[in-house]
Amino acid sequence: AQSVTQLDSHVSVSEGTPVLLRCNYSSSYSPSLFWYVQHPNKGLQLLLKYTSAATLVKGINGFEAEFKKSETSFHLTKPSAHMSDAAEYFCVVSGSGGGNKLTFGTGTQLKVEL
Amino acid sequence: ETGVTQTPRHLVMGMTNKKSLKCEQHLGHNAMYWYKQSAKKPLELMFVYSLEERVENNSVPSRFSPECPNSSHLFLHLHTLQPEDSALYLCASSARGASDTQYFGPGTRLTVL
Repeated sequence: AQSVTQLDSHVSVSEGTPVLLRCNYSSSYSPSLFWYVQHPNKGLQLLLKYTSAATLVKGINGFEAEFKKSETSFHLTKPSAHMSDAAEYFCVVSGSGGGNKLTFGTGTQLKVEL
Repeated sequence: ETGVTQTPRHLVMGMTNKKSLKCEQHLGHNAMYWYKQSAKKPLELMFVYSLEERVENNSVPSRFSPECPNSSHLFLHLHTLQPEDSALYLCASSARGASDTQYFGPGTRLTVL
């Protein structure tokens, strides 16, 4: 079985300050991990993906995430928040030993203030 | 924008209506998915099709009926829905590998009166 826990349902930062969105996972297999972003009234857009290559993964819009097996974490970071980053972010784990079943976290709403 | 389109974007229907949601992918993928996104809940996988064959049905009520006529198109037929079925319905597609990325459409916002 696999699961993912997003530790914060809401995060608020000031524009220009760093962003940290936390995610812990559980998987019986070597997982693939994803971060998706969802802007209001839009579908989910892939930010980045980890599939057992480099542990530091760079994504779009300046986001990156680091896979830490010892901590079972896959936190999402960005050095400097922009107003356009305000959205909901989902941490996702895949790879239950067969098929392409994704397990989604409950989401973190990111608010960016002036 | 992704190569996955969904129509309609918004739908309001009564409990006795019959309607269909449509999804089309232009990415050459072999697998397609329906998800339900309700407020305050994680995304719920409803159906998975791989090479036009249904490979997963996550205990979805029979008032939801999927159809996959070819690898590019996916439908969700709706009938006799309940107000609690109001949600955002998302379609996704991927290649068939276990770690392949799923690409999502913009969703259909469904309201059942």
